[in-house]
Amino acid sequence: QKEVEQNSGPLSVPEGAIASLNCTYSDRGSQSFFWYRQYSGKSPELIMFIYSNGDKEDGRFTAQLNKASQYVSLLIRDSQPSDSATYLCAGRATTDSWGKLQFGAGTQVVVTP
Amino acid sequence: EPEVTQTPSHQVTQMGQEVILRCVPISNHLYFYWYRQILGQKVEFLVSFYNNEISEKSEIFDDQFSVERPDGSNFTLKIRSTKLEDSAMYFCASSDEVGARTGELFFGEGSRLTVL
Repeated sequence: QKEVEQNSGPLSVPEGAIASLNCTYSDRGSQSFFWYRQYSGKSPELIMFIYSNGDKEDGRFTAQLNKASQYVSLLIRDSQPSDSATYLCAGRATTDSWGKLQFGAGTQVVVTP
Repeated sequence: EPEVTQTPSHQVTQMGQEVILRCVPISNHLYFYWYRQILGQKVEFLVSFYNNEISEKSEIFDDQFSVERPDGSNFTLKIRSTKLEDSAMYFCASSDEVGARTGELFFGEGSRLTVL
């Protein structure tokens, strides 16, 4: 059974601070990982994907992957109230078809002014 | 900006009734998906569709479910005989080939299905 686990939160972050979100996965066959943002009542929206061990930066977002520890994280720098949302971690195994993503339950982030 | 559109936004149905959820993917996308999210739970993969056939389906996608691309623009999900546990938000998504490989799926706003 492939599982992606996240702390549900809520994670309360002061405006301007760094939000740190964590995700673990059980399937060692998972090779690709994705962070989606989901505003309340809305659809998921891709923020970043990461395939290789290490860090990947895109604007205020940094994804980190450690395949040995089966651990993925997302850092949000200079958090803004508009970052308040649920962040979904997802993985995909190489044996899975394109577009078949295994989602975690999401971490709710609340950025307080 | 191109978007995936879904209809209806909310459907209420009686248990045992058939439901068809409709989606118009982004026009140049060739990979189509249905996901669902039961209230308060994870987003779950149902099915992927490419080249007019199912690429992969999950264990949730049993014989009660079917998908179809009846014309060049629509992509539908049919539930033949709805159960209470089918109540969920159903998301259609699409991607081009690059997006399929990178996991960049474009999701519609969802169709909320309530089965009474």
